[in-house]
Amino acid sequence: GAVVSQHPSRVICKSGTSVKIECRSLDFQATTMFWYRQFPKQSLMLMATSNEGSKATYEQGVEKDKFLINHASLTLSTLTVTSAHPEDSSFYICSVLAGSTDTQYFGPGTRLTVL
Amino acid sequence: AQSVTQPDIHITVSEGASLELRCNYSYGATPYLFWYVQSPGQGLQLLLKYFSGDTLVQGIKGFEAEFKRSQSSFNLRKPSVHWSDAAEYFCAVGNNNDMRFGAGTRLTVKP
Repeated sequence: GAVVSQHPSRVICKSGTSVKIECRSLDFQATTMFWYRQFPKQSLMLMATSNEGSKATYEQGVEKDKFLINHASLTLSTLTVTSAHPEDSSFYICSVLAGSTDTQYFGPGTRLTVL
Repeated sequence: AQSVTQPDIHITVSEGASLELRCNYSYGATPYLFWYVQSPGQGLQLLLKYFSGDTLVQGIKGFEAEFKRSQSSFNLRKPSVHWSDAAEYFCAVGNNNDMRFGAGTRLTVKP
């Protein structure tokens, strides 16, 4: 399967600051990437679909101005949590769509803690 | 609207025993079905997937799943569980742009 990395794996920040999370597709070019968040002991919730070279598509209820997504290349998508608050603390996971197999491959996740 | 139900929140089995994790789905067309496994603090690893064809699908780590259209089910099975199988298991249904995950089943393996 595809190899997907995320950086950082863990980040702690102060309330009001912004945090950028990177998602990289290491072994193939990804036109489409997805961003999910996962609360403790819960399932994944899709936040947005990131398309290379165009604006991301956000799920209902996800603030696009708070969760900025940039997919500037075929191997990199970034999620920036702006003006983070404690309620933004969560596990953020990205995935890459392998178009040839119609399968999503997931990164290892980023644990965000906002103090 | 598509949805996925995993009826069992938590299952405990003894090492060496067989395992079946249940998954039921609701989908308007022929679904793409997936099983993923997640270890604590980690991302999701694809175990297996069903798109079409043979309804019994073989995956990695000795897992298999059977698609039963009449029951709208895609249960995951393993004949003999290993301690390293302890993890959270997610069933998912959907297509490229709209994948829905079940709530997950946490598997505990007793020695």
